[in-house]
Amino acid sequence: GAGVSQSPSNKVTEKGKDVELRCDPISGHTALYWYRQSLGQGLEFLIYFQGNSAPDKSGLPSDRFSAERTGGSVSTLTIQRTQQEDSAVYLCASSLARTEAFFGQGTRLTVV
Amino acid sequence: GNSVTQMEGPVTLSEEAFLTINCTYTATGYPSLFWYVQYPGEGLQLLLKATKADDKGSNKGFEATYRKETTSFHLEKGSVQVSDSAVYFCALSEGGGSQGNLIFGKGTKLSVKP
Repeated sequence: GAGVSQSPSNKVTEKGKDVELRCDPISGHTALYWYRQSLGQGLEFLIYFQGNSAPDKSGLPSDRFSAERTGGSVSTLTIQRTQQEDSAVYLCASSLARTEAFFGQGTRLTVV
Repeated sequence: GNSVTQMEGPVTLSEEAFLTINCTYTATGYPSLFWYVQYPGEGLQLLLKATKADDKGSNKGFEATYRKETTSFHLEKGSVQVSDSAVYFCALSEGGGSQGNLIFGKGTKLSVKP
């Protein structure tokens, strides 16, 4: 596609449920990033995929968070047993090596 | 570890005022530096970038110069417009042979009044 696509755009879930957030990067981009943006906070790095290398998971806040990238393209961020503090906008971005990152519109997650 | 520190907002200016948003960084090696902007209701987009020391990035009247000696990348604009109202994020990308992850500052909200 023309840009980074994320789905769903909005998700409301009950506390304790699992959620999956999807990211379709720009075709051919080797790097893919997930960030979290909470109200009034900056961008918190979650995880980074680069080509076939092992992902950098150093930003994942707990073992309830995981992500995978299948076939070097689509990525899914999974949050298990959601908590209210997980409510945020989850942003995905992709890039070619050593170039600017392009961001999707984000998924707004609300845990009630 | 690598980090980015930018001035806290919010910043409120009148139209045609001069803008400076300070950004300093800590990094090993030679990172690339970026300013991203998030307009109300929109996603993040790249405003400008610089990939090596003394480079000046510029776009839409905004400028920032990569200063290795002061580890800074301050954003400036000589005359702001109401349409510049947005949140501005300074970021760095680790250098080297492959793209490292992007590390962002906390963002500075700019409001420009007519």
